[in-house]
Amino acid sequence: EEQLVESGGGLVKPGGSLRLTCAASASNFNTYSMSWVRQAPGKGLEWVASISSISTYLSYANSVKGRFTISRDNARNSLYLEMISLRIEDTAVYYCVREANGAIMLFDQWGQGTPVTVSS
Amino acid sequence: EIVLTQSPGTLSLSPGERATLSCRASQTISGNYLAWYQQRPGQSPRLLIYGASSRVTGIPDRFSGSGSGTDFTLTISRLEAEDFAIYYCQQYGRSPPWTFGQGTKVEIQ
Repeated sequence: EEQLVESGGGLVKPGGSLRLTCAASASNFNTYSMSWVRQAPGKGLEWVASISSISTYLSYANSVKGRFTISRDNARNSLYLEMISLRIEDTAVYYCVREANGAIMLFDQWGQGTPVTVSS
Repeated sequence: EIVLTQSPGTLSLSPGERATLSCRASQTISGNYLAWYQQRPGQSPRLLIYGASSRVTGIPDRFSGSGSGTDFTLTISRLEAEDFAIYYCQQYGRSPPWTFGQGTKVEIQ
């Protein structure tokens, strides 16, 4: 079973920036679309951004459009989320998730999550 | 945008009892592209059911999904200790945005 390991979370001030990384263990990483999903403290799940297998298609939630950038490096089996102009409401655990083949936005593998706290 | 409303918010039951969780969509979900996830305390979510009623490999058969159109149900036939968790429904497929319900917490009575 593929493992997804996130890193890069931490404490940042409002207006600051952060880059999250997700390392995937599977050698066929380059065949899957990937996404980031977040969960604010004590709240539900929110899809954030998605990228297709060879980066052809990108999509973002309205709440992060223009501030977050999703990217990937298939040679390094890695997924990234560049976050700028961070707001307090971006505070959440960010999960790296794999989309099931043939099923758009069906998330069949999840990482353990990395926490991001935006606070002054 | 399709809004998913889950009910009840909290379900208090005892081990061995049957749990029935509801997910209602504000519009018809085409192709029954409705999934259920389980999130145990302190853990990441995991996919249980997709296509409204198909169980993921390895998920016990006490979990079953049903429904179509706008009304969907997750049933846990006999609750075990490990099933006390929060359950989320989600619509997936070609139509953004891809939303989750707010969750139903199944707690030990």
